Amino acid sequence: NAGVTQTPKFQVLKTGQSMTLQCAQDMNHNSMYWYRQDPGMGLRLIYYSASEGTTDKGEVPNGYNVSRLNKREFSLRLESAAPSQTSVYFCASSRQYGYTFGSGTRLTVV
Amino acid sequence: AQSVTQPDIHITVSEGASLELRCNYSYGATPYLFWYVQSPGQGLQLLLKYFSGDTLVQGIKGFEAEFKRSQSSFNLRKPSVHWSDAAEYFCAVGGYVDYKLSFGAGTTVTVRA
Repeated sequence: NAGVTQTPKFQVLKTGQSMTLQCAQDMNHNSMYWYRQDPGMGLRLIYYSASEGTTDKGEVPNGYNVSRLNKREFSLRLESAAPSQTSVYFCASSRQYGYTFGSGTRLTVV
Repeated sequence: AQSVTQPDIHITVSEGASLELRCNYSYGATPYLFWYVQSPGQGLQLLLKYFSGDTLVQGIKGFEAEFKRSQSSFNLRKPSVHWSDAAEYFCAVGGYVDYKLSFGAGTTVTVRA
C-alpha cells in the first residue's frame, strides 16, 4: 500500500545516546515533515523539507537534525537524547495540503 | 504566523447524541482549515478541509464543519455519534506561504454507552 513508512515503531534510549528515525514515502510528494506529539500539546513541527535538497526549522528544532536523503526519504537524528525528547514522532509527506502521515515512532528516553 | 486553539481538552458524549468540537484560529487572512482524527495508537486521518466557497463542509464518517469568519472559528459537528467515534480530534490551519500545518492541542472524545 502506498504511504509513509516510519522505522522503528518503538525505541528506548538512554540519556546521551544517539539515534536516527527513518521515514520513507512512495507517493512522489515534494514536501516532507517531522512532528512530535506530546499530551496536551498536539503536534508540533520539528523540521520540514519543501523539496529535495532543502530543509528548514519548524517550531521545536532544538536537539534535532534532519537529512533529506532523496525525494523519498527524510530522516530525523537525535545526537544526544534527553528525557525531554520522550515523545511520539510522526513523519508526513504532502503534495500541497494533501498530507499523509506515518503511523508514528514512540520514543522513550530514560 | 498562524495558530489554533481547541478550548476543550476532553468531551464525553453518549452514543447517539450530537457532538460539537470547537476550534478557533488566528491568521491574518482566511486560512486553510482542517480537521483530523487520531484513533488510539494510529496516525492521523483527514476528516474534512476548508479552502474557500461554501462555509459548511462535509467530511467522512458523517462529520461536518462550519467556517465562521466573524468568529474565527471552524467547529466540527456530528449529529449522532457512534462508539467508534471515540478518538482524539485535531484542528489544523495552514497559510499561503508554504504548506506547513499548525495543529491545536487536540480534543479527546469519549463515547459512553
